[in-house]
Amino acid sequence: QVQLQESGPGLVKPSETLSLTCTVSGGSVSSHYWSWVRQPPGKGLEWIGYIQYSGATNYNPSLKSRVTISVDASKNQVLLKLNSVTAADTAVYYCARVGRVRRIRSGDYYNYMDVWGKGTTVTVSS
Amino acid sequence: AVQMTQSPSSLSASVGDRVTITCRASQAIRDDLGWYQQKPGKAPEFLIYAASTLQTGGPSRFSGSGSGTDFTLTISSLQPEDFATYYCLQDYDYPWTFGQGTKVDIK
Repeated sequence: QVQLQESGPGLVKPSETLSLTCTVSGGSVSSHYWSWVRQPPGKGLEWIGYIQYSGATNYNPSLKSRVTISVDASKNQVLLKLNSVTAADTAVYYCARVGRVRRIRSGDYYNYMDVWGKGTTVTVSS
Repeated sequence: AVQMTQSPSSLSASVGDRVTITCRASQAIRDDLGWYQQKPGKAPEFLIYAASTLQTGGPSRFSGSGSGTDFTLTISSLQPEDFATYYCLQDYDYPWTFGQGTKVDIK
């Protein structure tokens, strides 16, 4: 079955760029949408954004000016970049596969995150 | 952004209890709502989508209901492995937004 593994530096300095990789195994990165979610220590979940298999993206406006999600199909990876980080970006970062089921009447979709990586902890500190 | 408010924030229950968690949206979101379970130190796990559709292979003691602004997650008979934090997530509008979570612990 599909498995996801996040990786990247555990420590990033303030004002620098956070770069994370989600490696997909057991499936193709080109056949689904992929999402990133983060969780600050002791707090709840925050959706960061997703990328469609077409390459189109949708980001949380709270991060939109700083975030980029992309796919490297040759490596079967989903990439996250967050620039100009501050201590508020300290969190566990998860990647997740987006499952989609079409609504019968309207033709749009239900979306859900059905496969998650284990997460990677990123601390922003000098 | 659509605000999702869960209640209660935490609850204590015993094995075998029936547990209900509520999620309220700040505007109508049809049935574009999912539920996720998270255990300490672990990634969230997907439980339900479309407000009431249990993920394939999911335990039948979990059920969801609701439409519009008010939704519930019910655990019919709480099992030891169900002690966790539960989150609702709306995918009706961008940005997708989670509730703040409901922690279910042992009484």
